[in-house]
Amino acid sequence: KNQVEQSPQSLIILEGKNCTLQCNYTVSPFSNLRWYKQDTGRGPVSLTIMTFSENTKSNGRYTATLDADTKQSSLHITASQLSDSASYICVVSDRGSTLGRLYFGRGTQLTVWP
Amino acid sequence: EADIYQTPRYLVIGTGKKITLECSQTMGHDKMYWYQQDPGMELHLIHYSYGVNSTEKGDLSSESTVSRIRTEHFPLTLESARPSHTSQYLCASSGSIKRGSSGNTIYFGEGSWLTVV
Repeated sequence: KNQVEQSPQSLIILEGKNCTLQCNYTVSPFSNLRWYKQDTGRGPVSLTIMTFSENTKSNGRYTATLDADTKQSSLHITASQLSDSASYICVVSDRGSTLGRLYFGRGTQLTVWP
Repeated sequence: EADIYQTPRYLVIGTGKKITLECSQTMGHDKMYWYQQDPGMELHLIHYSYGVNSTEKGDLSSESTVSRIRTEHFPLTLESARPSHTSQYLCASSGSIKRGSSGNTIYFGEGSWLTVV
């Protein structure tokens, strides 16, 4: 069964600190992996998207890594800000269908305290 | 900035009522999706469309129906709402390179929170 597992489930850090969120997946055949940020009560917003050949991708203070061999990805947030408080969702797409089926993790709920 | 809009954002209705959740995108995307998400849980695909007059059911069984008469419009309808339909419904689109949007990125609307009492 294709799955996407994220850890930790929730995380609290102090403003200015760094943190790393993890995503393990079993989706096959793999197409791409995306990280989304979802503020409470809002729709997800894309942060990064990586294909099989990409190991790392940055978007401002967000840096995502991908190890397609071990089927692991991480999202590193540098110098956290209060506005980083949100749920971070890992989404993996397969290439076994025309649609490019998406598999969603449950997200990591990040809270940044002042 | 994503140009995909959902209305209403919040709705409380009584059991048995008919409700249509609206979704429109101005990016010219051919693919559109409806997801259902309960608080703290993952998104589940309930409907998708490849283009005009194309609609398919997703992974999660849903009593809702959709239509795609125009490229930019993908409404979702519940003929008779029940308390079990209480959830957040997210519309999304992807696929076209028009207007500078990335074909690989899926853009989400802000969501419609439905409560059936």
